[in-house]
Amino acid sequence: DVKVTQSSRYLVKRTGEKVFLECVQDMDHENMFWYRQDPGLGLRLIYFSYDVKMKEKGDIPEGYSVSREKKERFSLILESASTNQTSMYLCASQFGGRQQYFGPGTRLTVT
Amino acid sequence: AQRVTQPEKLLSVFKGAPVELKCNYSYSGSPELFWYVQYSRQRLQLLLRHISRESIKGFTADLNKGETSFHLKKPFAQEEDSAMFYCALSGQDGNKLVFGAGTILRVKS
Repeated sequence: DVKVTQSSRYLVKRTGEKVFLECVQDMDHENMFWYRQDPGLGLRLIYFSYDVKMKEKGDIPEGYSVSREKKERFSLILESASTNQTSMYLCASQFGGRQQYFGPGTRLTVT
Repeated sequence: AQRVTQPEKLLSVFKGAPVELKCNYSYSGSPELFWYVQYSRQRLQLLLRHISRESIKGFTADLNKGETSFHLKKPFAQEEDSAMFYCALSGQDGNKLVFGAGTILRVKS
């Protein structure tokens, strides 16, 4: 069974702080994704990675960066958190073009 | 451009009634369509994909290329079907997904 874990379920940060969200998968999947989930907007892709040290921008990359130093780990970084980044963040992993497996989500609040 | 439209934010039905969650898409090539579901306090998970043509938990969906639709149907709703449903599209690269805004299904007793 594929397991995707995220470092925190809930996180509260102050405006301007640097925030790290981590995602780990245990199935040797090549592809990993970061989304944000907002009511009425669905899931929007922030960044994705097809391999170690590779990253590509999704639909809403502004204000975010990512890091993939190891195949199993994909980190999302908010360089300077802002209130409009308050959201639910979902990580997913995928093997080839098959289904995506999602983590439990991190609910981030920026005050 | 790839786009997925779910016109209903909320669909409320009585137990035993038929359910149809609408999904329309915009894509110039041959898409792959999915339905993902998120039950309360659970993670988002795949419900079904059009290429497998199977029924999961009584739900089915048929890809209609003429109408560019992939509506999700169930003949008799159950209370445990209450959840958030997302329609998603995968394009030619087969990896990235474009999601619709989601529809909350509420099944009342």
